[in-house]
Amino acid sequence: GAGVSQTPSNKVTEKGKYVELRCDPISGHTALYWYRQSLGQGPEFLIYFQGTGAADDSGLPNDRFFAVRPEGSVSTLKIQRTERGDSAVYLCASSLEGGIGGYTFGSGTRLTVV
Amino acid sequence: AQRVTQPEKLLSVFKGAPVELKCNYSYSGSPELFWYVQYSRQRLQLLLRHISRESIKGFTADLNKGETSFHLKKPFAQEEDSAMYYCAGAGNMLTFGGGTRLMVKP
Repeated sequence: GAGVSQTPSNKVTEKGKYVELRCDPISGHTALYWYRQSLGQGPEFLIYFQGTGAADDSGLPNDRFFAVRPEGSVSTLKIQRTERGDSAVYLCASSLEGGIGGYTFGSGTRLTVV
Repeated sequence: AQRVTQPEKLLSVFKGAPVELKCNYSYSGSPELFWYVQYSRQRLQLLLRHISRESIKGFTADLNKGETSFHLKKPFAQEEDSAMYYCAGAGNMLTFGGGTRLMVKP
C-alpha cells in the first residue's frame, strides 16, 4: 500500500480481555516495528521483525504481549488479559532492511482499557 | 544502553524567533541520529537525519560528538512549526527521546 495502515484506529476494551492490533506495512518493506506511546512520552520500542521472524523482542513488557508476522507482511500485536496500564497508542512502522531510508509510521491504534 | 534525552518538555517562542530543540545521546560507537515530527492529528514523520546533512523546512541539526548532542535549530520560527518533535537514535531499532512540544505564538 501507499503507507503503513493500522487497524483499528481506536479500541476500547474491558480489563482482562484479549485484543489484537493489526499493522499492514508498506509493500516491499521487510522490517516492521511495534512501539507503544503513553501520554506525554516518546515512543517506546516493543518488538522488531525482519521478514517473518522476530529479530528483537526485548521491549515486550511481559508475556501477556505477543506479536506475529507469519507471511512477512501484515503483523498482529496480541495482548492477553489486558490491564488498565496497557492503555496507550500502539504505533507500527516499517522500513527497508536495516532501517535504510528511515521508518514510515502508521497513525497508530489508541487502546483504552476500562 | 542506548539512550536519547530531550531535556525540555515544552518550548514556547514567538513567530520569527530562533528555535533550538535540545537532544543528547548516549551511544556506543558512531550513532545514526534523526529528528521526527508529529503535527496535530497527524502521524509521526521523519524530519531529517544527521547522515544526509540536509535542511528541511528551514531546520538543521548538527551532530556534536564532543558534547554528544544533536540539537535541532531553525533561525526564524513559523506558526506552522508548532508540533511535537522527537529525537531518535538508530541501533537495531530507533530509540526515541521523550519529545519536546514546540509552540510558536503569533
